[in-house]
Amino acid sequence: EAQVTQNPRYLITVTGKKLTVTCSQNMNHEYMSWYRQDPGLGLRQIYYSMNVEVTDKGDVPEGYKVSRKEKRNFPLILESPSPNQTSLYFCASSLSRDRGTGELFFGEGSRLTVL
Amino acid sequence: AQTVTQSQPEMSVQEAETVTLSCTYDTSENNYYLFWYKQPPSRQMILVIRQEAYKQQNATENRFSVNFQKAAKSFSLKISDSQLGDTAMYFCAFMETGTYKYIFGTGTRLKVLA
Repeated sequence: EAQVTQNPRYLITVTGKKLTVTCSQNMNHEYMSWYRQDPGLGLRQIYYSMNVEVTDKGDVPEGYKVSRKEKRNFPLILESPSPNQTSLYFCASSLSRDRGTGELFFGEGSRLTVL
Repeated sequence: AQTVTQSQPEMSVQEAETVTLSCTYDTSENNYYLFWYKQPPSRQMILVIRQEAYKQQNATENRFSVNFQKAAKSFSLKISDSQLGDTAMYFCAFMETGTYKYIFGTGTRLKVLA
């Protein structure tokens, strides 16, 4: 089954404790991206990657890191989480602009709470 | 910078009726895609409909259709014969084809009433 898998789905952590949210897709998509969803603000792009070893900042990259060492994986790293990073996070993937239609395929979301 | 505006935070519609969700955007680009995504209570984001900016014909997917006005930078979603399963948050989104940068609106929460 074609899918984007995020883990963990739910996490409660404390300020300053490094954490990683994993994202994996099995559709051979070149493009992957991370978003956070907050009430009244919609989805905001954190980082995106056009292909392996190519990453770019989105609109809200502060406090986050990403890496794209393999095509299928795009982990989101919070080096020192703070309460303002409490949010619902989505990973999404898509075919490249040469092959695709721009449609994003989303993971199921990861609810993160930072105390 | 591109922006996407959804001016209706909440809407409701009676089952079997028609409802229109509005979306406006701002861009200086000429090549882009526009999308409507649905987020039901399960949180899963699902593509509803897609429009390519260079196509003048409005996209249609079953009960869902758009009114794309490129000059006015308007992209509204019409849901016909509304069903209880249409209850969800709807997000309008813009994607610039050169950079693949995505901008989402703040969403419209639609409730279909029995």
